[in-house]
Amino acid sequence: KAGVTQTPRYLIKTRGQQVTLSCSPISGHRSVSWYQQTPGQGLQFLFEYFSETQRNKGNFPGRFSGRQFSNSRSEMNVSTLELGDSALYLCASRPGQVRNEQFFGPGTRLTVL
Amino acid sequence: GQQVMQIPQYQHVQEGEDFTTYCNSSTTLSNIQWYKQRPGGHPVFLIQLVKSGEVKKQKRLTFQFGEAKKNSSLHITATQTTDVGTYFCAGHYGGSQGNLIFGKGTKLSVKP
Repeated sequence: KAGVTQTPRYLIKTRGQQVTLSCSPISGHRSVSWYQQTPGQGLQFLFEYFSETQRNKGNFPGRFSGRQFSNSRSEMNVSTLELGDSALYLCASRPGQVRNEQFFGPGTRLTVL
Repeated sequence: GQQVMQIPQYQHVQEGEDFTTYCNSSTTLSNIQWYKQRPGGHPVFLIQLVKSGEVKKQKRLTFQFGEAKKNSSLHITATQTTDVGTYFCAGHYGGSQGNLIFGKGTKLSVKP
């Protein structure tokens, strides 16, 4: 099976812009989670989607949003970008809602100038 | 809020030495997972511990879950250069089906 894919891999934006990141989970996986990784804060949970519904949400401002499509692909959107949003954004999928392992994608490296 | 503390932040060892990283939660965990992230890579799942006092081994790696399900450790015996990377623990709390709380990680470097 192909792994989790994320596009784009690298992105450079300026403050105030918005960005959309895409994640395709492993075939058959219905749960997709998003994480932000920075050197200072580490891996922080953004949100999880299961069958097109947001199941959990982390402590991030409303500028961060996401959605999941019927084919389980997911997108996350960040509006009004700030310098502090520069990070590696990781997507992870798992087969269902059981607390089992998460399969991470390679991430999207976002730089905000 | 819920938080998983992980120490040490960095560990430098000589090849062949042992390595241990520790995770601690102030509240009881439902389960704990361990991940490894190689430099420039993404986290890769290593193991999940669910039962109180559970101990699991994977070759040179030994994982433990505390009796109170509030702490966990990963011990690597006789480190090799291939062990280089950052090791993260991630805890699930009761009622949270998908929200993993990650520790800050321990970055391991191995000198040959």
